[in-house]
Amino acid sequence: SQQGEEDPQALSIQEGENATMNCSYKTSINNLQWYRQNSGRGLVHLILIRSNEREKHSGRLRVTLDTSKKSSSLLITASRAADTASYFCATDRNDYKLSFGAGTTVTVRA
Amino acid sequence: NAGVTQTPKFRVLKTGQSMTLLCAQDMNHEYMYWYRQDPGMGLRLIHYSVGEGTTAKGEVPDGYNVSRLKKQNFLLGLESAAPSQTSVYFCASSGDRTDYGYTFGSGTRLTVV
Repeated sequence: SQQGEEDPQALSIQEGENATMNCSYKTSINNLQWYRQNSGRGLVHLILIRSNEREKHSGRLRVTLDTSKKSSSLLITASRAADTASYFCATDRNDYKLSFGAGTTVTVRA
Repeated sequence: NAGVTQTPKFRVLKTGQSMTLLCAQDMNHEYMYWYRQDPGMGLRLIHYSVGEGTTAKGEVPDGYNVSRLKKQNFLLGLESAAPSQTSVYFCASSGDRTDYGYTFGSGTRLTVV
């Protein structure tokens, strides 16, 4: 069964706006990761946040993790057309494998 | 460029046929994975390997077999293809799961008719 669930399923924003998506999971984790998938391509790793971290930044990306609520959020600031993609959260429960959610599809309008 | 290479990229099979999907990585990663991606369902783990000569079942292993005879290669086999196996298959590898994410291949789009 899928460990993570993203919300919303789809998001449409204007170029320059911020995009926020959330991920909820069910059991304790070792770390949580976010991936991007452009249409017809493989997944690309964006950022990893460990269970003892609360916030992490990478360029225009900001990830938060609240282990008490079993949730994470990914914020993309000043979005660009190139940010149009599907975004997936994935949880590592220290059992050698990642569990992925169904993803959030982000469309950035010019 | 270093990475994960999947072959073939596309394939159409008839029900009952067999095939092998090849995944090769040149990053000396210990861990390798096969996922399938279906619309609206995200990625589901089929089989994985934690090192050369090892394999283990994932979430949806039925109808698939795997082998990891060499560290750099991870093969996924379909012995008797079924229409339910129509999907996009992704291979991934990882060297250090605690600090780095997975590196994914570009996928194999398989259609079983």
